[in-house]
This record gives sequence, C-alpha cells and structure tokens, in this order.
Amino acid sequence: GAVVSQHPSWVICKSGTSVKIECRSLDFQATTMFWYRQFPKQSLMLMATSNEGSKATYEQGVEKDKFLINHASLTLSTLTVTSAHPEDSSFYICSASPGGQLLREQYFGPGTRLTVT
Amino acid sequence: GDSVTQMEGPVTLSEEAFLTINCTYTATGYPSLFWYVQYPGEGLQLLLKATKADDKGSNKGFEATYRKETTSFHLEKGSVQVSDSAVYFCALRSQGGSEKLVFGKGTKLTVNP
Repeated sequence: GAVVSQHPSWVICKSGTSVKIECRSLDFQATTMFWYRQFPKQSLMLMATSNEGSKATYEQGVEKDKFLINHASLTLSTLTVTSAHPEDSSFYICSASPGGQLLREQYFGPGTRLTVT
Repeated sequence: GDSVTQMEGPVTLSEEAFLTINCTYTATGYPSLFWYVQYPGEGLQLLLKATKADDKGSNKGFEATYRKETTSFHLEKGSVQVSDSAVYFCALRSQGGSEKLVFGKGTKLTVNP
C-alpha cells in the first residue's frame, strides 16, 4: 500500500516552453503533497507544500509564478514549470501524506527527470 | 534553521562487512529522525525512524539510535548485502505541527560481492 506515482518519469523540453508533472497517490487520499527538487549529489530541497483545495505554500527562494502547483483533488497534484530554462533542469520528486496526527508519514514518488535544452 | 549533516560518500564495502553512516542534526527541541533509502530508479522509501531520545529504529537489519546528547542518528548494519546498494538519506521533522522534512545530502553505498 501507500504507492505514489509520478508522470512522466523523464521529459526533455525546449527552453521557453512549459512542462507539467503529475503526482498521484494510488491507494490513499493525500491531504498534503510536497514537491522537492534534487540536484546531483545534493539533498532533496523542499519547494512547496500543498493541501487539497488550497493554495500551495512555497519555501523561501522558490518562484511561485515559475513553479505552479495545483492540488485539485485528494489523489492528484501537479507541478508546472513555466517558461523553462536550462537551469530548471533537475530531478523533481513529490511525496504525499494521508495527514492527521497519527498519519504524518510521507510517501515518495519515483521522481521526474526534467532536461531543458 | 534546522539542518542535517551526514557523512560524504560514496561508501564501498564488501559483502558481509559492517556499515556505519554517520548523521548529526541541528534542531530545537525534540525532532523526529528518519533514514530513507533510494534504490536505483525508485523513489525514497522510509527505512526506519525514531521519535524521541534513546529510541532505536530498526528494519531489515539496519539500526539507528536517537542520541540527544550528541545530536546524532547514525545508521548501522552488521552485515551488508549486495542488495543494500542504494543511496541513504538522513532526515528530520521538526517538533510541532509542521510536516516538513529536512534531508541530508545522501550517502551512496555500493556493496560488492
């Protein structure tokens, strides 16, 4: 149980275009979803936290207008990288949490490799 | 702010060798501590956790003890296997209501037969 999927697993796009990444909780309802960015040989850096039906909370230094997050249902969150540039190339990972005091576990997706040319 | 520091990798061991991956943290109060493992091509999986001082988390032969006095949560395994080859991340979740996890940089472990 507690499976999280991401789609696509990898994507290549041209500079200036937008890319949407989906994160789905397959067998549970995710009250909260998280988006991380991972650079090679670096830690996962939290980009934003989203709760179903409300606006995402972005970490300091993350551009809200560039990384659009939508959490429209309890099983789906999307990250759209708008007007992507080569420096946005990275590994993007989502996680989902069922929520509640006793259910604070985060379950991670397999990640999406974005390459901007 | 809160932070996690773990030993630099990569770590290469022979099968059946003893493993230690050091992890120390900086945080106020009593954070919860975690070890996650990322196998090639897969997402992070929770390996073990500890939520209060002196707790020992254990799973699949791995152990880590929450040491408040040394602010550490070192990962150990007595006899590693080739299948343990992966990247290991130490992480903390601050005391209180926040769900946010703070990760270390990860340590890549390669176990050779």
